Amino acid sequence: DTEVTQTPKHLVMGMTNKKSLKCEQHMGHRAMYWYKQKAKKPPELMFVYSYEKLSINESVPSRFSPECPNSSLLNLHLHALQPEDSALYLCASSQGLAYNEQFFGPGTRLTVL
Amino acid sequence: GDSVTQMEGPVTLSEEAFLTINCTYTATGYPSLFWYVQYPGEGLQLLLKATKADDKGSNKGFEATYRKETTSFHLEKGSVQVSDSAVYFCALSPYSGGGADGLTFGKGTHLIIQP
Repeated sequence: DTEVTQTPKHLVMGMTNKKSLKCEQHMGHRAMYWYKQKAKKPPELMFVYSYEKLSINESVPSRFSPECPNSSLLNLHLHALQPEDSALYLCASSQGLAYNEQFFGPGTRLTVL
Repeated sequence: GDSVTQMEGPVTLSEEAFLTINCTYTATGYPSLFWYVQYPGEGLQLLLKATKADDKGSNKGFEATYRKETTSFHLEKGSVQVSDSAVYFCALSPYSGGGADGLTFGKGTHLIIQP
């Protein structure tokens, strides 16, 4: 299994809602990532988990809260988002070393109303 | 800090034309280099990679060679197809002592292949 899966595929939420994005991989990878991608832009790193511990937080607002329940799962909890947070949220995984390739999921298209 | 520069396009070619997308990088040490492709409405797919100088990555007819002397990793394909239409991202991963780190991406090149 060489796949990273993400759910849901699409999500529409109001600014007062609480929702979660989910990501799963079964490749035995020990590093997992959240990226945010706006239209016609490259992905921007948000968070890195290495061996289930948060190792990088790129100064992301606290309305985004990551969680890594185990080595295969990665969640992104959303609360009180703003319309400018609308974007494609991509999850990726890698073996855990900096020079390894990262494998991306299909993304969750988030719209904040 | 690390950076990647690539031609942004759009690049429009006819089917069966030769493709080159230029990519140059700035990084300390010995980064790994990647090309990712993103089709409309989808995530990023790893197209090819190179982890050290003079390595050539290849996949699906695409090739790129890691040139340390010119800090470049240009993507080439001898004969493009309409199905190659997508956005192509050049990216690097620093060798930062072993820990996981995010990728540094170029701005992406939108490739359009006309029949």
